[in-house]
Amino acid sequence: ELKVEQNPLFLSMQEGKNYTIYCNYSTTSDRLYWYRQDPGKSLESLFVLLSNGAVKQEGRLMASLDTKARLSTLHITAAVHDLSATYFCAVEEDNAGNMLTFGGGTRLMVKP
Amino acid sequence: SAVISQKPSRDICQRGTSLTIQCQVDSQVTMMFWYRQQPGQSLTLIATANQGSEATYESGFVIDKFPISRPNLTFSTLTVSNLSPEDSSIYLCSGDPEPSYGYTFGSGTRLTVV
Repeated sequence: ELKVEQNPLFLSMQEGKNYTIYCNYSTTSDRLYWYRQDPGKSLESLFVLLSNGAVKQEGRLMASLDTKARLSTLHITAAVHDLSATYFCAVEEDNAGNMLTFGGGTRLMVKP
Repeated sequence: SAVISQKPSRDICQRGTSLTIQCQVDSQVTMMFWYRQQPGQSLTLIATANQGSEATYESGFVIDKFPISRPNLTFSTLTVSNLSPEDSSIYLCSGDPEPSYGYTFGSGTRLTVV
C-alpha cells in the first residue's frame, strides 16, 4: 500500500523567509503532483512532476522530484502572506490506474 | 484544463437521509474519482467510476453507503446514504489527468449532518 508522508504538517513563518516542505512516498512512482487548498475551497493544481529530476518553478514556489529517493520538495522563497494555505502532495502509484494518494497536507501560515 | 462543475456546494442534512452530489465535466473523461476530506484532514479516495461499469471502491467504502452512477463520459453522481454526523465532510470529484495540468477537481461539496 502506498503511503505518502508530508512534513511539516504545520508551518508558521515570517514574510521574507525561505522554507521547504517535504513529501516522501513508499513505492515506485514517477508522477507526483502539488496542490494548494485555501480554506473552504477546492484544490488548485500547482505543479506536475513526471520524471526523475523534474524541477518546476512558479513565482516564489519551486518543486522538485527525486524518484530514487522517493522524495519531492516544495521550496518557498521569500514568503508572502498570500502564500498562506494548505499544500498537498499527491502521488500516482505505478500500475495503479490513475489513483492518487495524498499526503497529510502542510498548513502554511505566513505572518507579516 | 478541464472544468468540473460540482453541486451542491454545501448542504445541511438530517440523520438517516441521503445526499446526492453531481459532477459535470466540460469534456469527456474516461475515469472519474470521488474523494472525501474530513475536517482538517487530507483527501481519501472513495471510489473510481468508469462509464458502463460498476465503480471500484477503496477499502473502507461500500456501494450501499456510497452508490455512484456514471451514465456518460461527462457526468457522475455520488450518493451518501443513511447519513450520520460522521459523514460530515467535504466531498470532491476529479477526472482523468491532463499531461501538463494533472488532475482537475470539482469545487467540492461541504456536507454537514445534524
